[in-house]
Amino acid sequence: KAGVTQTPRYLIKTRGQQVTLSCSPISGHRSVSWYQQTPGQGLQFLFEYFSETQRNKGNFPGRFSGRQFSNSRSEMNVSTLELGDSALYLCASSFRDRGTGELFFGEGSRLTVL
Amino acid sequence: DQQVKQNSPSLSVQEGRISILNCDYTNSMFDYFLWYKKYPAEGPTFLISISSIKDKNEDGRFTVFLNKSAKHLSLHIVPSQPGDSAVYFCAALWSNDYKLSFGAGTTVTVRA
Repeated sequence: KAGVTQTPRYLIKTRGQQVTLSCSPISGHRSVSWYQQTPGQGLQFLFEYFSETQRNKGNFPGRFSGRQFSNSRSEMNVSTLELGDSALYLCASSFRDRGTGELFFGEGSRLTVL
Repeated sequence: DQQVKQNSPSLSVQEGRISILNCDYTNSMFDYFLWYKKYPAEGPTFLISISSIKDKNEDGRFTVFLNKSAKHLSLHIVPSQPGDSAVYFCAALWSNDYKLSFGAGTTVTVRA
């Protein structure tokens, strides 16, 4: 069974640009969530989707947005990039409707903003 | 607001000995607690969990203890092996909220 796939794995952008990251969950998983990891901050929750509906959103500015498609694939977008957006962005999927916290993570997309 | 805290950024332990990782939380609504392990250049992988109705859960060399009154949980790894060297994240969830709150992580180094 293929794992969670994130693309691109690495990318470099400049301030003011926008970026779109993609996530393909494990087949059959309908819940997809996104996390931002920065040094010393652990993983910060961005949003969670289930069957194309956003069920929760973290404390990030409106520049961060996401969506989920009917095939459960998900994208997140960050507009007007800032230096502080440099981070590892992790996508995770779960087959459970009701959360128990057991997530399957992808390897992440490493974003560097110059 | 940091609702889950891991106060020890690093831990060094000799192979074969016990590793004890600690975690504190503030939100009494949390009903699931988990530990994830992360190697460099990989995503976190689920290790072990415990629901709030239990105080202990064991899986092989890994045991998680939950003290709800103290809002504290710990992970014991016995015996520690070199392959256990990784970053360990404590996480907590209120199942109606659909989001995991993570601690900042503890880097474990197992010395041969």
